[in-house]
Amino acid sequence: QSTLRESGPTLVKPTQTLTLTCSFSGFSLNTSGVGVGWIRQAPGQALEWLALIYWDDDKRYSPSLKTRLTITQDNSKNEVVLTMANMAPVDTATYYCARLRWPALHIDVWGMGTAVTVSS
Amino acid sequence: QSALTQPPSASGSPGQSVTISCTGTTNDVGGYFYVSWYQQHPGKAPKLVIYEVRKRAAGVPDRFSGSKSGTTASLTISGLQTEDEADYFCSSYAGKDSMLIFGGGTKLTVL
Repeated sequence: QSTLRESGPTLVKPTQTLTLTCSFSGFSLNTSGVGVGWIRQAPGQALEWLALIYWDDDKRYSPSLKTRLTITQDNSKNEVVLTMANMAPVDTATYYCARLRWPALHIDVWGMGTAVTVSS
Repeated sequence: QSALTQPPSASGSPGQSVTISCTGTTNDVGGYFYVSWYQQHPGKAPKLVIYEVRKRAAGVPDRFSGSKSGTTASLTISGLQTEDEADYFCSSYAGKDSMLIFGGGTKLTVL
């Protein structure tokens, strides 16, 4: 059974950098066609894709957030880390990590999500 | 890239059918057969229902079906059941730069 679990701070201050870790099990990010990505959902809002990393270490970012995001993987630990710089209150959301399938990029396994509030 | 357009709400009675639309452009829905649908119950993570326009995810009953015409994709749920009451989001591949785009979501009420 494939699972993903997000971890990180629940509260960050404006202008700080958010670091979220996705720990996964039951699959390998070395497997062709597999990607791990981050998606967020602000309260009462739609889902928003942020970033993803493919099995071959190719990385993709949302064009609107590209300058603030960095995604990396540590295959020895089965972890994917997302950093988002210069956080603002509008970034308050639940952040999900998920497994995506190339090339359609459908998300077949979701983490439970972690709520992040940006406030001073 | 703008979000895909979904109706904010839909409803139906148990046993009826309901169709939820998802409208995009030729750069996303109309350009690829890579539309997915997700079901989200309150306080829960989304769950994959349909992928690649019409393929059902594992364990999803055949009451759920997907289709696409031009720049509009649709999710049809037949034989509505009370547990189908949830939010439904569509998504589409949008090319190698924009990658993945979601719809605004549709709240389905089973009356």
